[in-house]
Parts: sequence; C-alpha cells; structure tokens
Amino acid sequence: AQSVAQPEDQVNVAEGNPLTVKCTYSVSGNPYLFWYVQYPNRGLQFLLKYITGDNLVKGSYGFEAEFNKSQTSFHLKKPSALVSDSALYFCAVRDMNRDDKIIFGKGTRLHILP
Amino acid sequence: DSGVTQTPKHLITATGQRVTLRCSPRSGDLSVYWYQQSLDQGLQFLIHYYNGEERAKGNILERFSAQQFPDLHSELNLSSLELGDSALYFCASSVETRVNEQFFGPGTRLTVL
Repeated sequence: AQSVAQPEDQVNVAEGNPLTVKCTYSVSGNPYLFWYVQYPNRGLQFLLKYITGDNLVKGSYGFEAEFNKSQTSFHLKKPSALVSDSALYFCAVRDMNRDDKIIFGKGTRLHILP
Repeated sequence: DSGVTQTPKHLITATGQRVTLRCSPRSGDLSVYWYQQSLDQGLQFLIHYYNGEERAKGNILERFSAQQFPDLHSELNLSSLELGDSALYFCASSVETRVNEQFFGPGTRLTVL
C-alpha cells in the first residue's frame, strides 16, 4: 500500500540557516512525489514535484527537494530560511501504476526563528 | 488565488443534520478532489472525480457522498452529522494526469455542535 511519512511534527530553524523537512514514502511502483505548503487559514499551495529525471528538483520560493530512490526519501530543502517560510508543509505521493489516489503525509510545522 | 472557489466559507450546524459543500474548479480543469483536514487525522483524501465520473475513493464515510456536474462544479454532501465531522474540507482541481499538481480552494470550515 502507498504511504508517506513525515517523521517530524515540527522543525525549528534560525533565520538564515539552511532548512530540511524530511519525507519518506512507500509505493509498489514508481512514485510521483509532491511538496505543498499551507499558510494559516489558507488552502495548500504547490511547491514542487518529482516525476522523473534529475533527482534534484527546484520549486517555488527558493525551495528544492532531493529524490533518493535507495532511501525512498524526498526531503525538502532551502539554503537560507526566511521568517516568512514558517508554515505547515506536506509531502504527497502518487503511485505511477495504480489508481488515482494521492496520499499526503501528516504535515511538518516549520518555525523560522528571527 | 488558486482559481478554485469553495462555498460557504464557514458552516455551523447541529448533529444529525445534512449539509452541502460546493466547489468550482479552475477553468479547464476536469478533475476535482475532496479532502478533510482535522487536527487529529491530518489531511485525508476523500474522493476524486474526473469529468463527471468517480475515479478514486479514499477514507470517505458512507454518510458522505459527492458528485460532479456537467459544468464540472462538484458538491460534497455530508449527512447525519456527528461532532467528529467538524473539520476543514478542501476541494482541489487539476488538469488530469497523475503528474499534475493540484490547486486547492480556500476550504470550508464545518463546525458541528
């Protein structure tokens, strides 16, 4: 069965420091992987996706994510955090070969400390 | 603004009642997804419609149903409401292939008293 794990409920990072939000997945076939961000009282916004090709994917607002097939991970990264990056981040996976379910992780709350 | 609209924004009702949540997808998007977000369950996929037909079901209760109309708007019907149904309900739309990202509406906050 498909699953996504975000092992950290919350991540605290000082402004200007690099940040990483972790995600691991499990699918029977090849995965499509996504990151979304949710600001307070808003819907989710798409950040980036991995479909195929280069393992390093660049997305919105300076975020990037690295696909690691051997570790079944898709960690979200940013070289220098901003206070405005504080939000709830969701990783999601879709199995390339199965029906149209998309599975979201439970979310990681990112706090950027000024 | 994602281009996806949801009405109403807030809904307060009593246990045992029935409500209908409405979603209009982005222009040109044929797929509509419904999600429930609560503090204890996180973001749960409920159901997916593509061009009027049901494509996939997730953790949707039998008391809940949905449909997508010819104009592509969708409605989520929740009946025999319980306190535990209080949550944020999101609709999302996409151009349908599995590789495409979803665009989320602002959500409907349902409170069951």
